[in-house]
Amino acid sequence: AQSVTQLGSHVSVSEGALVLLRCNYSSSVPPYLFWYVQYPNQGLQLLLKYTTGATLVKGINGFEAEFKKSETSFHLTKPSAHMSDAAEYFCAVSVEPGYSTLTFGKGTMLLVSP
Amino acid sequence: KAGVTQTPRYLIKTRGQQVTLSCSPISGHRSVSWYQQTPGQGLQFLFEYFSETQRNKGNFPGRFSGRQFSNSRSEMNVSTLELGDSALYLCASSLLAGDPSTDTQYFGPGTRLTVL
Repeated sequence: AQSVTQLGSHVSVSEGALVLLRCNYSSSVPPYLFWYVQYPNQGLQLLLKYTTGATLVKGINGFEAEFKKSETSFHLTKPSAHMSDAAEYFCAVSVEPGYSTLTFGKGTMLLVSP
Repeated sequence: KAGVTQTPRYLIKTRGQQVTLSCSPISGHRSVSWYQQTPGQGLQFLFEYFSETQRNKGNFPGRFSGRQFSNSRSEMNVSTLELGDSALYLCASSLLAGDPSTDTQYFGPGTRLTVL
């Protein structure tokens, strides 16, 4: 079975600073990897995903993530944080044949201070 | 294009009661998945339906059940409610066309269930 570990339940950054949210996965077969964002009282919105091909994936709102197989990692980054980025971020993994079933990490709350 | 809708948005029940939650997927989407979100356990997969058939099921007791109708709308039911069933229940829909690179799960806003 696959699993996801997100390091840090809370990450605090200043506006304009680099955002780095860490995600490590465990899977015995090639994974598909996802980052979702959740704003208060809302559902999940897909930021980006890796399925195959280029290991550096660009998503919405200036976020990107790099799939590193040797490190079993899929860390999320953004060069410059904005106040509107404050939300909870979830890393998720799925595998074939049930690729539509997601296994989520516990989530990281991103706090952005002015 | 309308997104995934879930009704009701908020629900309060007492222990022992049963509850039914509804999910309407994006038009054209045939797959509907349900997830439970709690502060302690995080996001956990409940089950997935495709073309009215349960394709996959998570590790939840039999009190949790679901179904999908011919128009792809889905319902989940929880019987004999327990305090621990208090959670945000999220529904997600996708095309499930067989290509994960283009297939995306879209989530609804969730139903907040409180069990007293």
